[in-house]
Amino acid sequence: SQTIHQWPATLVQPVGSPLSLECTVEGTSNPNLYWYRQAAGRGLQLLFYSVGIGQISSEVPQNLSASRPQDRQFILSSKKLLLSDSGFYLCAWSVRGGRGIYEQYFGPGTRLTVT
Amino acid sequence: AQTVTQSQPEMSVQEAETVTLSCTYDTSESNYYLFWYKQPPSRQMILVIRQEAYKQQNATENRFSVNFQKAAKSFSLKISDSQLGDTAMYFCAFMRYNAGNMLTFGGGTRLMVKP
Repeated sequence: SQTIHQWPATLVQPVGSPLSLECTVEGTSNPNLYWYRQAAGRGLQLLFYSVGIGQISSEVPQNLSASRPQDRQFILSSKKLLLSDSGFYLCAWSVRGGRGIYEQYFGPGTRLTVT
Repeated sequence: AQTVTQSQPEMSVQEAETVTLSCTYDTSESNYYLFWYKQPPSRQMILVIRQEAYKQQNATENRFSVNFQKAAKSFSLKISDSQLGDTAMYFCAFMRYNAGNMLTFGGGTRLMVKP
C-alpha cells in the first residue's frame, strides 16, 4: 500500500530564517505531487505541483520554492521566512494519469510557526 | 478559473441525526469531478466521497451521500446517523477533467456532532 510522510511535524522558526520541509511517498511510482498551505481555520491553497523529477509548477507567487530531486521526494523551501508563511503545510500525491479520476492522498502535515 | 464556495462556516448536529453541508461551485467546464474531504482534529485529510460530473446518479458511501445538481452547480453532502467521530472540518473540492488532478478547495465547514 502507498504511504506518504512529511517532516518535521511541527516547526518554529524566526523571521528571516531558511525553511526546508520534506515529503516522501512510498509504494507508488511516478506520482503527481502537490504542496498546499492551510491558514488557521481556512481552506487549502495549492502552492506547487509536480508531474515529474525537476518539473515544478507554481500556483501562487511568493517567497517559497519547491523542488523534486527524486521521483517520490518533494521539498518545500524558503531562503527567508516571513510572518505570513505561518500555517499548516500539506503534501499530497495522486496517480499520474491522462484520463480518469485520480483523487489526491494527503500526508499528515507540518505546522509551521514563524516568530 | 474555478471557485468553490461553502456558505456555512460552522454547523452542529445531535448524535444520530442527519445533517447536510452545502457547496456551490463555478466553472465553465462540462467534465469535472467533485469531492468531499474530511479533516478531523488530527488534521489528516481524508477523502469522504467523490462524484463524476457526467454521472447523474448521486454517489453514496455508507452514511454519506451527495445531492449533485449539475445545472445549479451545487454539490451538498448529507451525513446520516451522525456520530461523534464525524466532528471535523469538511471541505468541498473541484477537479477539472484531465488537468493534472489539481484540486480547488472551498473554505470549509466546521461540523460539531453533539452527544
